[in-house]
Parts: sequence; structure tokens; C-alpha cells
Amino acid sequence: AQTVTQSQPEMSVQEAETVTLSCTYDTSESDYYLFWYKQPPSRQMILVIRQEAYKQQNATENRFSVNFQKAAKSFSLKISDSQLGDAAMYFCAPFGNEKLTFGTGTRLTIIP
Amino acid sequence: GAVVSQHPSWVICKSGTSVKIECRSLDFQATTMFWYRQFPKQSLMLMATSNEGSKATYEQGVEKDKFLINHASLTLSTLTVTSAHPEDSSFYICSAKGQTNTEAFFGQGTRLTVV
Repeated sequence: AQTVTQSQPEMSVQEAETVTLSCTYDTSESDYYLFWYKQPPSRQMILVIRQEAYKQQNATENRFSVNFQKAAKSFSLKISDSQLGDAAMYFCAPFGNEKLTFGTGTRLTIIP
Repeated sequence: GAVVSQHPSWVICKSGTSVKIECRSLDFQATTMFWYRQFPKQSLMLMATSNEGSKATYEQGVEKDKFLINHASLTLSTLTVTSAHPEDSSFYICSAKGQTNTEAFFGQGTRLTVV
């Protein structure tokens, strides 16, 4: 079974600043992936970044990076140089044993 | 990335009728498809997982006779909400994964309103 906790229901950040969204998870799988998805008002799910659990190096994707702490089962997302288009719901999701489980989400607001 | 098309994007149906939602993988073979339900301002709740040619595996608490899932081909899965009631009104999202993929690709979602 997989569980996900996103302890920040809402976050806000000034445009061009940096924000970190937290996520902790639990899984019984030894081989799994971790994802951050973004859901804008259109409700289309957009993959932001992914991390293979067997890799120690933190994934980066342009302005997005993660801090993956496997032993602590922590997977936070850092957004640098925040832009207005980053405003959305962000979901953390472990993927193991062919099951993708979503956290409760964090609503990110960008302040112009 | 790969493209998943979900249709219709919205539907209104009368209480007691059935409605079918289609999920198609356009440029890859989807060996596994997932169906989610999302209530307003909430997370995505996994309803069921289907593998091509097999019966769907439903999550606990999901009525398999109400939410019929068919995955008859490698590019198409359908969710039929039978005898719909107003409490079935929700946003339904499908996602699809190919055998060699390490991620699932999402459809645009379907907003179902039962009146």
C-alpha cells in the first residue's frame, strides 16, 4: 500500500522568488518512482518532474528540482524564479506496483 | 510525451440513465489504464486499474456494477457509469501507461453532471 502526505494545503510566493512544497510518503515497494504533477484550472494533469527511487541524485527540470530523501521518505519540490503560470494545484505521487497514488495537493498562488 | 484523449470533456445526463466515457491512447499501446475520480478541490482518487484483455481491478469501496470498465484493446478503455445518480456527478480522469513507460499519461478529464 502507498500513502502520501502533503502537509501544506496552500502556499503563496512572490513572483521570481523560490518556494518549496513538501511531501512525505510511505510505500512497501522497493522499486518505485516519484512524481510531482501540476493541475492548473483547466484540470489537465501535467507532469512536472520525476525521480527514480534507486537514484540518489536529485532530479532537476529547468526551474524545478526535488530534494529526495529516501530514508526519510521525503520528496519535496522546489520551484525557482516563480512565474505566474506556475499557479496551480501540485500533487505528489509515488508510483509503485503499477499504482499511482496522489497526495491531497498543495494550492500554489503566485503573487505578482 | 505520449497523448491520451478522453471523450467527452463534459456530459450532462438524466438520473437513471447510463453514460460512457472513452479514453484512448493515440500514439502508444496502453497496456494499463487507470480511472480516477476527483471531487471539487480534492485529490484524485483511484477507482480502478485495467489491463488490456483482463478484468479491471477495483479499489476498495468502488462499486464494480455501477462503474463498468472495459479495456478491450491496447488503445481504448471505457468507463460506463450505470444508472447514474446526482451523487455520481464528478470529474473523471483516465491515464494510460505502456509496457515500457515509467510514467502514466493523462486524458483531459470528463466532467459528469447528473440531473
